[in-house]
Amino acid sequence: ETGVTQTPRHLVMGMTNKKSLKCEQHLGHNAMYWYKQSAKKPLELMFVYNFKEQTENNSVPSRFSPECPNSSHLFLHLHTLQPEDSALYLCASSQEGRSRDTQYFGPGTRLTVL
Amino acid sequence: QKEVEQNSGPLSVPEGAIASLNCTYSDRVSQSFFWYRQYSGKSPELIMSIYSNGDKEDGRFTAQLNKASQYVSLLIRDSQPSDSATYLCAVRGFGNEKLTFGTGTRLTIIP
Repeated sequence: ETGVTQTPRHLVMGMTNKKSLKCEQHLGHNAMYWYKQSAKKPLELMFVYNFKEQTENNSVPSRFSPECPNSSHLFLHLHTLQPEDSALYLCASSQEGRSRDTQYFGPGTRLTVL
Repeated sequence: QKEVEQNSGPLSVPEGAIASLNCTYSDRVSQSFFWYRQYSGKSPELIMSIYSNGDKEDGRFTAQLNKASQYVSLLIRDSQPSDSATYLCAVRGFGNEKLTFGTGTRLTIIP
């Protein structure tokens, strides 16, 4: 266990559904991340939050909407997704401000869009 | 565009041998380097970090960094079947820049 939890672990949804992914970190970190991992591709950084403020949005389609109510919780709201959005969605956290900080990953949510 | 390159493999190594995984990066001012292990269907798990030129050893793992040549490698001694996984190289630039990941090398240890 890395101290980062994600729910649900598996999710199947239709293109018209709305769902949310949840991430919680118990490490006292101040930065949280959403990554997308598709087959044969590098991990793609989607969003970064430092001290609850979004600091990075890597041209992610608006059908993905992040929310960070506090430094321990991060959500990814999903709506009208496409089949190509099927992937493993990983949450990570780190302690920003240290030049040698390390990111720790949650177990991921395997998303299938039908 | 900052890039991290890895041979995707698969790399097959006999049990008990040394597995050597390599990674090159394009950003010359990169400061921090990480190796993550990812088992099939699981999330990446940090196994090594290295920040200075030279070798860093942790048990059966040795990370090697050469900033002049812009490569970082991971050696796994006495390879075990449980080492079979995809190994991701990640590089962080100067300051608070984000991590850039390679595509990973799939390693198979043959009993």
